[in-house]
Amino acid sequence: DTEVTQTPKHLVMGMTNKKSLKCEQHMGHRAMYWYKQKAKKPPELMFVYSYEKLSINESVPSRFSPECPNSSLLNLHLHALQPEDSALYLCASSQEPGDEQFFGPGTRLTVL
Amino acid sequence: GEDVEQSLFLSVREGDSSVINCTYTDSSSTYLYWYKQEPGAGLQLLTYIFSNMDMKQDQRLTVLLNKKDKHLSLRIADTQTGDSAIYFCAEYEGRRALTFGSGTRLQVQP
Repeated sequence: DTEVTQTPKHLVMGMTNKKSLKCEQHMGHRAMYWYKQKAKKPPELMFVYSYEKLSINESVPSRFSPECPNSSLLNLHLHALQPEDSALYLCASSQEPGDEQFFGPGTRLTVL
Repeated sequence: GEDVEQSLFLSVREGDSSVINCTYTDSSSTYLYWYKQEPGAGLQLLTYIFSNMDMKQDQRLTVLLNKKDKHLSLRIADTQTGDSAIYFCAEYEGRRALTFGSGTRLQVQP
């Protein structure tokens, strides 16, 4: 298995909803990442997990809460989001922090 | 990415070569990457180059690195319509995750 999978592919939620994005890889990678990408913009780093511990939080608002239950899984819990949080959320993984990153297909999130 | 710059758009004819350019500012960058993103999709790693290399070739792709000028380029030989996408260069300098350029939209005309 040489890919990063993300679910759901699309998500529409209201500002009062609680939802979660999921990311999975079975390549034995020890670093996993969340990025946010707005239309026609490059991905912006949100969080980095290294060996299941949060190593980088790029000053992301607390309405985004990451979780790494094990070395293969990465979640992003969403609560009380704003319409401007609508974006493509990309997950990536790498063998070690700093190695080439492999991206999932992303979750297209729309906040109403 | 304010530290990594790319031109926004490139249009070429099918069969021609494409050259996408990127400049970066961090001299301590260790790895430089090229990613491809098709509409509505995630990023696909195309190739990467270590900072102590000048050139890397992989089939139709040639990466050139001028470390003195902090200039990176991606040449795609015999460009096909399937190469139409946004191409991002990205740098990694050891302390954090990737810093991406703004992306270059490549349009290949038949």
